[in-house]
Amino acid sequence: DAKTTQPNSMESNEEEPVHLPCNHSTISGTDYIHWYRQLPSQGPEYVIHGLTSNVNNRMASLAIAEDRKSSTLILHRATLRDAAVYYCIRSYGGATNKLIFGTGTLLAVQP
Amino acid sequence: GAVVSQHPSRVICKSGTSVKIECRSLDFQATTMFWYRQFPKKSLMLMATSNEGSKATYEQGVEKDKFLINHASLTLSTLTVTSAHPEDSSFYICSTQGGGRYNEQFFGPGTRLTVL
Repeated sequence: DAKTTQPNSMESNEEEPVHLPCNHSTISGTDYIHWYRQLPSQGPEYVIHGLTSNVNNRMASLAIAEDRKSSTLILHRATLRDAAVYYCIRSYGGATNKLIFGTGTLLAVQP
Repeated sequence: GAVVSQHPSRVICKSGTSVKIECRSLDFQATTMFWYRQFPKKSLMLMATSNEGSKATYEQGVEKDKFLINHASLTLSTLTVTSAHPEDSSFYICSTQGGGRYNEQFFGPGTRLTVL
């Protein structure tokens, strides 16, 4: 049980910002929120993760709701190479942070 | 971050044969590796957690006698699909934990298994 909910698909135009939502209403206080993305026929790659505060890195930003029941991955300027399936994942803590993938959001980027 | 390779990238085998898939951590000593499988247009399903020098921990519903995992060194974990059948045809992906700045997982490129 992934325990995260994401829209099945979204579309964006190139050069525009993209906001990918995720609901995780049953998240516990120690669960991190991770985002990975997967291009076709490849293994996933790490995008970003956070616990409570908003996070920024060179790939994206992660905005986490104050009650932590939802979060949004923000791609500031979508490119064609950002077309992928984006997975929002709760980690299950402990020494081994196993990831339980949900269905993800298929992002299409139009030129 | 850590670089993970898998071999072979794709394999076709006859029903009833066994297939071994290798997962290597090229620049990081991974005490923990994970094995996933992914059916077409589906999400990744965690199969097991592979721990160096000890038995793997399998997820519920994954047959440990069918999917043999060996993690004999800090850079190599293998998954053997024993007596493969067409329903085992899938994309198998491994990952390592650690080696990155945030303890994130680094994934291999995957192995496409087709059982005839």
